[in-house]
Amino acid sequence: SYELTQPPSVSVSPGQTARITCSGDALPKKYAYWYQQKSGQAPVLVIYEDNKRPSGIPERFSGSSSGTMATLTISGAHVQDEADYYCYSTDNSGRVFGGGTKLTVL
Amino acid sequence: QVQLVESGGGVVQPGRSLRLSCAASGFTFSSYGIHWVRQAPGKGLEWVAVIWYDGSNKYYADSVKGRFTISRDKSKNTLYLQMNSLRVEDTAVYYCAREGLALAGTGTALDYWGQGTLVTVSS
Repeated sequence: SYELTQPPSVSVSPGQTARITCSGDALPKKYAYWYQQKSGQAPVLVIYEDNKRPSGIPERFSGSSSGTMATLTISGAHVQDEADYYCYSTDNSGRVFGGGTKLTVL
Repeated sequence: QVQLVESGGGVVQPGRSLRLSCAASGFTFSSYGIHWVRQAPGKGLEWVAVIWYDGSNKYYADSVKGRFTISRDKSKNTLYLQMNSLRVEDTAVYYCAREGLALAGTGTALDYWGQGTLVTVSS
């Protein structure tokens, strides 16, 4: 079955740039989406269709995709950005999430 | 405002059945595909199933295929997940999530989520 692969963890200091990658064979043909999930809360969409930001999401969040890899970039990470981040994409008729990346900002 | 409210979770023995519900409001229910996504304790998100806006197509993760059935009732604006032959590994918080419309808003992202309902499969 189709898989999206993310690093388990990324750590940055406040103000630094955090980059979270997501690799998958179908990403050249399928959009990547990114979700932020804080402890005990439902996921929140932060990037859709590879690089678009929903209203209300800070400009420091951006996305890109090239070949089989999508990347979520948080420029100037804030302490409140500490969360789990998941990429998401489609697999023919089904859907798939990446394994998630725990972002630590301290 | 868009709301999705899950219910029906609880503790159930392995091999038994449970039906989850997701009550939708604040949008035209019959125009949107709806998904179930689950999250085992301390684990990541796992996509479970989707039903198209008109119920004409349903797709499942391999891990639940043949055991779970997704359905919807447009007269009640409610989504369901019938879970049979439950296993310990089905223990998770189950979320329903709306899929947006292509060429509108955030495209086909899962744009609204409920708060989830916990299913515990244990003897």
